[in-house]
Amino acid sequence: SAVISQKPSRDICQRGTSLTIQCQVDSQVTMMFWYRQQPGQSLTLIATANQGSEATYESGFVIDKFPISRPNLTFSTLTVSNMSPEDSSIYLCRAGGAGNLEQFFGPGTRLTVL
Amino acid sequence: GDSVTQMEGPVTLSEEAFLTINCTYTATGYPSLFWYVQYPGEGLQLLLKATKADDKGSNKGFEATYRKETTSFHLEKGSVQVSDSAVYFCALSDNGGDMRFGAGTRLTVKP
Repeated sequence: SAVISQKPSRDICQRGTSLTIQCQVDSQVTMMFWYRQQPGQSLTLIATANQGSEATYESGFVIDKFPISRPNLTFSTLTVSNMSPEDSSIYLCRAGGAGNLEQFFGPGTRLTVL
Repeated sequence: GDSVTQMEGPVTLSEEAFLTINCTYTATGYPSLFWYVQYPGEGLQLLLKATKADDKGSNKGFEATYRKETTSFHLEKGSVQVSDSAVYFCALSDNGGDMRFGAGTRLTVKP
């Protein structure tokens, strides 16, 4: 199994600012994924981050709005840029990889944009 | 593409009632299937999983059986408790890659 931590756990931000969310895994993982969960909704995949390559974004999400870093096999960051109230959501990271059948989520970052 | 269809809630039960939350899937290959639980104000926790047909996942009194013939992975519990009140998500994964989620089912258990 893997233990995943996220920072911050929650934040309240002003419109137009940016927030960087960190995701740390206690073991090396091939793939890391970032999700958004809007209030009362299911999870939507934002992007997949592999170490050493550019993140792959899902339809409707762009790098300028959600830049991602993946500097090593245990860490990733997601930045929510130029925030608006519509960005208020829970952001979750997940660790996984080929052959790794245990899919672990971080505890989530609850973001409120005023 | 792969997808998950989950019984929509909300579901309200009395304590000790029997719970079933239906989940069916569409997939081209042989995915792994999962149930996640999200308690109020918290992130997702893996509740149980099954990796191949006829596997039964179980945890905390919850069970789900991977039924390839009906493409289903229904969640059941014989006697729910107030502490089981949460949102439950069915999901599938193509061997560690992309993961698809159902819409989630909110369960409220009343004393």
